[in-house]
Amino acid sequence: EVQLVESGGGLNQPGGSLRLSCAASGFTFRTYAMSWVRQAPGKGLEWVAGITGSTGGTFYGDSVEGRFTISRDNSRNMVYLQMNSLRAEDTAIYYCAKDLRGITLGTFDNWGQGTPVIVSS
Amino acid sequence: DIQMTQSPSSLSASVGDRVTITCRASQDVHNFLNWYQQKPGEAPKLLIYDASSVAEGVPSRFSGSGSGTDFTLIISALQPDDFATYYCQHYEDLPRTFGQGTMVDVK
Repeated sequence: EVQLVESGGGLNQPGGSLRLSCAASGFTFRTYAMSWVRQAPGKGLEWVAGITGSTGGTFYGDSVEGRFTISRDNSRNMVYLQMNSLRAEDTAIYYCAKDLRGITLGTFDNWGQGTPVIVSS
Repeated sequence: DIQMTQSPSSLSASVGDRVTITCRASQDVHNFLNWYQQKPGEAPKLLIYDASSVAEGVPSRFSGSGSGTDFTLIISALQPDDFATYYCQHYEDLPRTFGQGTMVDVK
């Protein structure tokens, strides 16, 4: 059974940094692309960042490009989201999502339960 | 960025109703289109991928169609478990973007 467990969320001040982690199990982790998707309170879904499986290519949404960094550790079955220069508009539930495929990221067939990030002074 | 527009934004329906939700892309996304279901307090769930392929474990009452810019999600006979919000999402280009969602509630 695929399991994705996020951690690292919390309250942070504007301009601060936070690192989210996602522990994956139940599948051959290195084979699949992974993404972070967020949902602001009462709003819809926004794809934040993705990383391919074997090559580790990284891709970002417009609103986080240059501030957030996605990475993965295939030896530990972990994916991370380093969030810098946080803004109030980054407040959201952050979901870790596994892709259906390895290279073409963008079909999210398994999701974690999410970790909340609140950016406020 | 490719904009995804769903209609309606919300609808009220009864158990047993046929429900149709449409999604329009601002440019051609071929068949690179997915549908998700989300219930309050839960993570989204993949329903349909590649416009018309039903995801594993999804009941057969869910179906998807379309290509290019116009897509449809159909629930053939609404069940109590189907009251939720539905999102379309493309993966033709970066960034991947979602529609604004369609909330299906009880009439």
